[in-house]
Amino acid sequence: AQSVTQLGSHVSVSEGALVLLRCNYSSSVPPYLFWYVQYPNQGLQLLLKYTSAATLVKGINGFEAEFKKSETSFHLTKPSAHMSDAAEYFCAVSDRGNQFYFGTGTSLTVIP
Amino acid sequence: GAVVSQHPSRVICKSGTSVKIECRSLDFQATTMFWYRQFPKQSLMLMATSNEGSKATYEQGVEKDKFLINHASLTLSTLTVTSAHPEDSSFYICSVLDSITGELFFGEGSRLTVL
Repeated sequence: AQSVTQLGSHVSVSEGALVLLRCNYSSSVPPYLFWYVQYPNQGLQLLLKYTSAATLVKGINGFEAEFKKSETSFHLTKPSAHMSDAAEYFCAVSDRGNQFYFGTGTSLTVIP
Repeated sequence: GAVVSQHPSRVICKSGTSVKIECRSLDFQATTMFWYRQFPKQSLMLMATSNEGSKATYEQGVEKDKFLINHASLTLSTLTVTSAHPEDSSFYICSVLDSITGELFFGEGSRLTVL
């Protein structure tokens, strides 16, 4: 079975500061891992994904995440936060089939 | 990636009426679609898995007679909320699975308000 834990339901950073959103997973099979972003009243947009190639994954809008099997983590980072990064972020794990599990989400606030 | 469109984006209806939400895969033949419900400030709750040409698979606790799902073609799935009540008010989101890449692509969501 798979599950996802996102530590910190709310994260605030200053504009230009490092963004770090944490995600830990559990999986009984080699997982696929995803980060999605959701803006108010919109669907989810894929930021990046890990599907067993490079462990450091680069996504859109300057975000990246590193798959660490030993730590069962897939934390999302961005070197310099922008006001437009304020949104809800969801980490997800799949069994490489049609079973997806989403974290509870982290709301990112960017302070000017 | 797949482009997924939902319609309507917002709908307000009276209690007791039925509402249909459409989910279209515009550039991708979707064998599998998912319907989610999202409460304010919460994560997505999977309601059902919709498979083209067959009956949907509902998650535990989701009333299949209340939330009718039809996936009649590879590009269209519909969710009908029957005899809607205020507690059905929510944000409903569909998604399409690309089984080759393992990615989920989401529609824009539909906000239902039942008065």
